[in-house]
Amino acid sequence: QVQLVQSGAEVKKPGASVKVSCKASGYTFTTYAIAWVRQAPGQGLEWLGSISVYNGHTKFAQKLQGRLSMTTDTSASTAYMELRSLRSDDTAVYYCAREAGSLTYPRFDNWGQGTLVTVSS
Amino acid sequence: DIQMTQSPSSLSASVGDRVTITCRASQSLTTYLNWYQQQPGKAPKLLIYAASSLQTGVPSRFSGSGSGTDFSLTITSLQPEDFATYFCQQSITTPLTFGGGTKVEI
Repeated sequence: QVQLVQSGAEVKKPGASVKVSCKASGYTFTTYAIAWVRQAPGQGLEWLGSISVYNGHTKFAQKLQGRLSMTTDTSASTAYMELRSLRSDDTAVYYCAREAGSLTYPRFDNWGQGTLVTVSS
Repeated sequence: DIQMTQSPSSLSASVGDRVTITCRASQSLTTYLNWYQQQPGKAPKLLIYAASSLQTGVPSRFSGSGSGTDFSLTITSLQPEDFATYFCQQSITTPLTFGGGTKVEI
């Protein structure tokens, strides 16, 4: 079965960087894009960006462009999200999700378990 | 950016009830609209995509309808495991955006 397993919780100081991993299994990694979505405590869902595992093409939410990097390692079936210059309002649970139907009706059909990133001095 | 507005933000219902949640977009999505369910402390789960297509494995009591700017998610005969928060999401253009959520409570 499809599984996305994320790295563990992180605590960072303002101005630092965080890198979250997302290891995929149960499907051919290169045939789906990976999206990153976050959820601040008690809040809704915010799409951060998506990366095509096949060709590395990326799309970003404009508010994070410049601070966000998304990469993949196809040999390890793992996607990575790095957020730099962290602020307190970056405190959130970060999810990776498999993006199905990229050429038809895009949707997030499988999700990782989430990684809590806490930014605090 | 496309704004997604859900209503109500919360509702109280009983097991066996029929529940309808609505989602309005600030511009036409045709049918590029998805619905997710989120249990407390869990990742979201895809229920409906392309406005009305049921995701594999999702019970048939869930259904979606609508096109353009107005959409709805209906749960017929609410079950105990359906008490959760529901989000709509547009996928016609980036940035992909979500509605604010509807919490279905007992």
